[in-house]
Amino acid sequence: QKEVEQDPGPLSVPEGAIVSLNCTYSNSAFQYFMWYRQYSRKGPELLMYTYSSGNKEDGRFTAQVDKSSKYISLFIRDSQPSDSATYLCAMIPGYSSASKIIFGSGTRLSIRP
Amino acid sequence: GAVVSQHPSRVICKSGTSVKIECRSLDFQATTMFWYRQFPKKSLMLMATSNEGSKATYEQGVEKDKFLINHASLTLSTLTVTSAHPEDSSFYICSAHARDRYNEQFFGPGTRLTVL
Repeated sequence: QKEVEQDPGPLSVPEGAIVSLNCTYSNSAFQYFMWYRQYSRKGPELLMYTYSSGNKEDGRFTAQVDKSSKYISLFIRDSQPSDSATYLCAMIPGYSSASKIIFGSGTRLSIRP
Repeated sequence: GAVVSQHPSRVICKSGTSVKIECRSLDFQATTMFWYRQFPKKSLMLMATSNEGSKATYEQGVEKDKFLINHASLTLSTLTVTSAHPEDSSFYICSAHARDRYNEQFFGPGTRLTVL
């Protein structure tokens, strides 16, 4: 079993829709949860991070962590064609960001105009 | 946020040659740098962690004699793929972390290596 599971997609939704991306994990040691966006042939870009269970909102993006279920989500409201990219969930055991990041396999998202 | 650059962005080489990839933190000092590898439509996998002035720590299954990492200064780390073979063709991405300044790793734009 992989430490982090993520549906690879592809996921295609119309512009303006709410997008829900999810990951599950098996390692209880994970404490630092992140979502990255990666455009084709580019390095990943950090979208959001959180340490605790609950919701964290930043503009059109909401990150949700449920440690009891070992489940994290990213919601994108009012999706735009420019949101089309691969979204990677990522986790670190412990609280230091200077540690090994475990990435999910990524979900390819396409927003149709 | 901080900026990390990689050079070259793309390289094509013949089998058996060695290739050096540079990773630079442009506006901050990186106490720790990481090297990842990403195959098409796959996730990033950590290859090694390097701290300035010390030997790199390699992940299980990564050959340290094949993937030479040097972190000689607080703004530069290099990855040398020695005697490259077609199976080494991949997207190599570095990240840099500055503990006292930013609470995240900043990723470079990646280097696409193709070995013929």
